[in-house]
Amino acid sequence: EVKLLESGGGLVQPGGSLKLSCAASGFDFSRYWMSWVRQAPGKGLEWIGEINPDSSTINYTPSLKDKFIISRDNAKNTLYLQMSKVRSEDTALYYCARRAATSWFAYWGQGTLVTVSA
Amino acid sequence: DIVLTQSPASLAVSLGQRATISCRASQSVSTSSYSYMHWYQQKPGQPPKLLIKYASNLESGVPARFSGSGSGTDFTLNIHPVEEEDTATYYCQHSWEIPPTFGSGTKLEIK
Repeated sequence: EVKLLESGGGLVQPGGSLKLSCAASGFDFSRYWMSWVRQAPGKGLEWIGEINPDSSTINYTPSLKDKFIISRDNAKNTLYLQMSKVRSEDTALYYCARRAATSWFAYWGQGTLVTVSA
Repeated sequence: DIVLTQSPASLAVSLGQRATISCRASQSVSTSSYSYMHWYQQKPGQPPKLLIKYASNLESGVPARFSGSGSGTDFTLNIHPVEEEDTATYYCQHSWEIPPTFGSGTKLEIK
């Protein structure tokens, strides 16, 4: 069974940094593109970016590429999202998702909540 | 970025009737072979769940009362007959280019 478990969320001050993790199990993590998607409270879904299996290609949504860094450790079956210079509008539930090639998002974690507040 | 406009923003449908949700893309997301549009269902407190891929292909395990259609810029998700458990917010998503974007969502209530 495919499982994705995000962690690392919490309260962070404006301008601060936070690193999220997503532990994957139930599939060969090293073969799949992985993405981060966020959802602000009561709002819709926003794709943050993705990383290919060997980390040679990382794509970001243009408005976030200077704030967020996506990485992965295939030996640990873990996906990461390094967040920096956070602002109140970064308050959201952050999901990791397994993407089928570069198409749909087939599997999602339950998300980890990041709250940006002083 | 490709903008996906969903309509309506919300709708209430009687049990057993049909729900129709529209998604319009700001540019074509189809080739002669594929339409790069996908649909998700999100219930409160849960992550999105894939329903339909490539505009009309039902994901494994999804009930046959869900169906998708469309090509080019206009796509539709139909649910018939609706059941109580279909209460949720529905999103379309394209994969034509980077970034993949989502529609703003349609909240479905069952009367």
